[in-house]
Amino acid sequence: GQNIDQPTEMTATEGAIVQINCTYQTSGFNGLFWYQQHAGEAPTFLSYNVLDGLEEKGRFSSFLSRSKGYSYLLLKELQMKDSASYLCAVRGEGNKLVFGAGTILRVKS
Amino acid sequence: DSGVTQTPKHLITATGQRVTLRCSPRSGDLSVYWYQQSLDQGLQFLIQYYNGEERAKGNILERFSAQQFPDLHSELNLSSLELGDSALYFCASSGGRTGTFGYTFGSGTRLTVV
Repeated sequence: GQNIDQPTEMTATEGAIVQINCTYQTSGFNGLFWYQQHAGEAPTFLSYNVLDGLEEKGRFSSFLSRSKGYSYLLLKELQMKDSASYLCAVRGEGNKLVFGAGTILRVKS
Repeated sequence: DSGVTQTPKHLITATGQRVTLRCSPRSGDLSVYWYQQSLDQGLQFLIQYYNGEERAKGNILERFSAQQFPDLHSELNLSSLELGDSALYFCASSGGRTGTFGYTFGSGTRLTVV
């Protein structure tokens, strides 16, 4: 089976940095994804890690440690529009993505 | 526009009824995935099709069924609807020639069962 854990909610201040953690236990591993989802909208792709290390993409970075079953998404220079749910997803067997429950990030001014 | 088209955007129906949700994948994508997202839950995988064939099944109820047609569009059929079936239903596609690794999601169908 597959189990993906991430915090339910986080609050951070505009302009700050926030780190959203994700731990996973899966049968098979072919990559870890982060998606952003605003309420009532479709998830949109943020980042992809398949090898250990840090992937940086503008204000967003994602880190993966396969041996620890651990990833984080780092958001810098937070903006109000970053208030959303952030979904960690693991691709396991059969190219199927299994999603965590998501972390609701609230950015306050 | 993600390139994945879902219709209708909204659907309100009564308990016991049957509805069909439609999805057209992004051009070139062969795989279609259906997910259900209830108000207080994450994305729950329902079913996957690849080039017309069922590839994987998740927590899909027996009252639900799906298929992928030769033109690669997919339909999700929900029957004997219950109040608890009210949710956002997302379709996603992948596997196209663009080489992206993740899924591209449609904008979803919001189903309300009254």
